[in-house]
Amino acid sequence: DQQVKQNSPSLSVQEGRISILNCDYTNSMFDYFLWYKKYPAEGPTFLISISSIKDKNEDGRFTVFLNKSAKHLSLHIVPSQPGDSAVYFCAASSIQGAQKLVFGQGTRLTINP
Amino acid sequence: EAGVVQSPRYKIIEKKQPVAFWCNPISGHNTLYWYLQNLGQGPELLIRYENEEAVDDSQLPKDRFSAERLKGVDSTLKIQPAELGDSAVYLCASSLGSPVDEQFFGPGTRLTVL
Repeated sequence: DQQVKQNSPSLSVQEGRISILNCDYTNSMFDYFLWYKKYPAEGPTFLISISSIKDKNEDGRFTVFLNKSAKHLSLHIVPSQPGDSAVYFCAASSIQGAQKLVFGQGTRLTINP
Repeated sequence: EAGVVQSPRYKIIEKKQPVAFWCNPISGHNTLYWYLQNLGQGPELLIRYENEEAVDDSQLPKDRFSAERLKGVDSTLKIQPAELGDSAVYLCASSLGSPVDEQFFGPGTRLTVL
């Protein structure tokens, strides 16, 4: 039962263009969403988060959009840079009860020069 | 400031052998997590500690896996006996408090069971 799904295993984007990574969830109790970034041989690192009371959160080149009715969120990176090449994980949780993070399968983003 | 430290980084063992992983969290972080990451998948929580107490071990296969966090700092995760399907990356993470606080991950231990 995959509660958080990232349906694109990989994505290739030209340097300078926008990268859009997508994530869908099924559990309506989720009210807090995060994106983590992972380089090879390293652990995931936190990138950006959003609470369900908002529909957009921006941090520099990174913006996360949340569509609660569609149970969908997306991460936009603009402009994309070669250093953004990594695996991106979407994660979800419920703030009430401090529930565990549930991760998606990840999307491997490759930025081409 | 040092991050989450894990050792060993890599481990190769024969099936049915025991194996142990060690984690030292970021100083001051009360909450410690062990995750399992299979190839092509996201991390899955095995166990969460708040100080010395295991507050969520519902996903830990207790017939062969055990964990401890003595004195509420370092933690060890043990598998005995290991099976072929245990080959994966074992990640340790820590956070100040609840799971929705930023979790800081270690580099992981890649286990190969032959």
